[in-house]
Amino acid sequence: AQSVTQLDSQVPVFEEAPVELRCNYSSSVSVYLFWYVQYPNQGLQLLLKYLSGSTLVKGINGFEAEFNKSQTSFHLRKPSVHISDTAEYFCAVSEGGSQGNLIFGKGTKLSVKP
Amino acid sequence: DVKVTQSSRYLVKRTGEKVFLECVQDMDHENMFWYRQDPGLGLRLIYFSYDVKMKEKGDIPEGYSVSREKKERFSLILESASTNQTSMYLCASSPWPRHLSGNTIYFGEGSWLTVV
Repeated sequence: AQSVTQLDSQVPVFEEAPVELRCNYSSSVSVYLFWYVQYPNQGLQLLLKYLSGSTLVKGINGFEAEFNKSQTSFHLRKPSVHISDTAEYFCAVSEGGSQGNLIFGKGTKLSVKP
Repeated sequence: DVKVTQSSRYLVKRTGEKVFLECVQDMDHENMFWYRQDPGLGLRLIYFSYDVKMKEKGDIPEGYSVSREKKERFSLILESASTNQTSMYLCASSPWPRHLSGNTIYFGEGSWLTVV
């Protein structure tokens, strides 16, 4: 069965510092991987996704993620964060050939301080 | 742009009331979902539907039911609301995976339900 583990529930960083939000998944078949962002009092918005091809995926707002099949990881990175990046970030996985359900991690709250 | 609209952003209901949460999507998506979001627990799938009149239980269906009479509309029903159903409810839709979007799920803004 699929599962997604986000290793950090909260990540505080200072503005302009780099950040990495960690995500590991378990699945016995091919997977699609996603990162979503949720700003306060809003729904979830797609940040980026990995379907196939290049393992480095670039998304909106300067974020990128790297798919590592051997380590079953899909960590999210940004070289320099802004106050406006303060939000909750969710990693999610779906299995190839499935009906399209996503299994979500429990989320990581990124808090960017001035 | 894909739009998923949830009819109510904030609701307060009494214990035992029947509650309807409505969701409409405008992109002719086959799949629709209802999630519940609680602090520290992330998103948990309540029900999903991959076609009109079709429904599948998710991870936490107890105390909920759903209705999908039209492709664009997916309703979540709390037959008898209880205080432990106080939560944020998120509706979402996606095209069937054979489409080129690669399973991207599009979310509504969420409905905050408080049961007192």
